[in-house]
Amino acid sequence: KQEVTQIPAALSVPEGENLVLNCSFTDSAIYNLQWFRQDPGKGLTSLLLIQSSQREQTSGRLNASLDKSSGRSTLYIAASQPGDSATYLCAVGGGSARQLTFGSGTQLTVLP
Amino acid sequence: GAGVSQSPRYKVAKRGQDVALRCDPISGHVSLFWYQQALGQGPEFLTYFQNEAQLDKSGLPSDRFFAERPEGSVSTLKIQRTQQEDSAVYLCASSLGVLGFYEQYFGPGTRLTVT
Repeated sequence: KQEVTQIPAALSVPEGENLVLNCSFTDSAIYNLQWFRQDPGKGLTSLLLIQSSQREQTSGRLNASLDKSSGRSTLYIAASQPGDSATYLCAVGGGSARQLTFGSGTQLTVLP
Repeated sequence: GAGVSQSPRYKVAKRGQDVALRCDPISGHVSLFWYQQALGQGPEFLTYFQNEAQLDKSGLPSDRFFAERPEGSVSTLKIQRTQQEDSAVYLCASSLGVLGFYEQYFGPGTRLTVT
């Protein structure tokens, strides 16, 4: 059974810092990996989707990498802003339904 | 509306009541997923539809949970005889295709509280 772990569970940084969020998964037979952000009381907003054949994806200040063989992904956020404060969830797509298996998230606080 | 919508946004049910949660996916999206998110946890897969066919229901926690998508668009998740452990946020997601190469887009969720 696929298990996804995110470290750290919570992170607090001053505005302007670059930061890295980590995600690891136990089964490398995945179709894709998706990073989401979730604001309190809200649904999930997709940030980046990496297909299993890709190594990384970039969108603005965000860069996500995927190393399928080692079961790891990182989300790099450059020049963090208070508006980046949210919970960041990593999810791997697999199984017969290509359903997503999620980690428990990293709660990020960017201090002004 | 361009996104996935869900209703109601909040539902309070007394233990033993039946509830129905609705999901309107993005128009034209073939795949539809239901997830359950407990407080402080990531969402967990419940069931998957490809058009009107329910192809995977392995995540449904008990036979009190039932989902349908009769015309391949709107979906309803029904929970019979609700229990306190059913309290959670229920998220619906849709995606354009069926091959796992497509992003899943999530709705805002329905927060169910069973008292």
